[in-house]
Amino acid sequence: EPEVTQTPSHQVTQMGQEVILRCVPISNHLYFYWYRQILGQKVEFLVSFYNNEISEKSEIFDDQFSVERPDGSNFTLKIRSTKLEDSAMYFCASSMGYPNTEAFFGQGTRLTVV
Amino acid sequence: QKEVEQDPGPLSVPEGAIVSLNCTYSNSAFQYFMWYRQYSRKGPELLMYTYSSGNKEDGRFTAQVDKSSKYISLFIRDSQPSDSATYLCAMVPSNTGKLIFGQGTTLQVKP
Repeated sequence: EPEVTQTPSHQVTQMGQEVILRCVPISNHLYFYWYRQILGQKVEFLVSFYNNEISEKSEIFDDQFSVERPDGSNFTLKIRSTKLEDSAMYFCASSMGYPNTEAFFGQGTRLTVV
Repeated sequence: QKEVEQDPGPLSVPEGAIVSLNCTYSNSAFQYFMWYRQYSRKGPELLMYTYSSGNKEDGRFTAQVDKSSKYISLFIRDSQPSDSATYLCAMVPSNTGKLIFGQGTTLQVKP
């Protein structure tokens, strides 16, 4: 069964450092997303991406964040200068359509900023 | 008022029980409704997807949507210990692709 894969599963970084979280969406999907979940809180939308550009972003997704699809398979989230409050699980998701089709999630990357 | 409200539980039931999980919402623009299951420190796994009022059944799971009351439910029949997880409702407004999640309800099914 096709799945969304994310690497690494756990990333520890020092405050102020840049991190790149990587995702391989399901191969025939066209829409890609990043969500985050701070421990004990709701899953929150960060950004959606289609046709090599951002479709929508939340107020969380400020200038410190960027997304990229560097090749035909990978989808990345970069955080330029990490803060302690960026510590969370980051989930990548993909879907075939927008907005009315199912979104499938990866297993997540646990980011710990120290 | 929160856009999506979901009782976080925890909800504990004996094996074989029928489980009812619910969410309410305030935004009339929500058009698509999903239920995800999330095990501890794992990604949400899509269980059910609906876009109209009424019931949708898949095996032991039934999703129910009442748009007039802004209320959705997930029923699990013959619950199993393996159903122990957090259940997240999620909704999509008609003009966007982003999912708006509820807090999640933690379910424990005891053998």
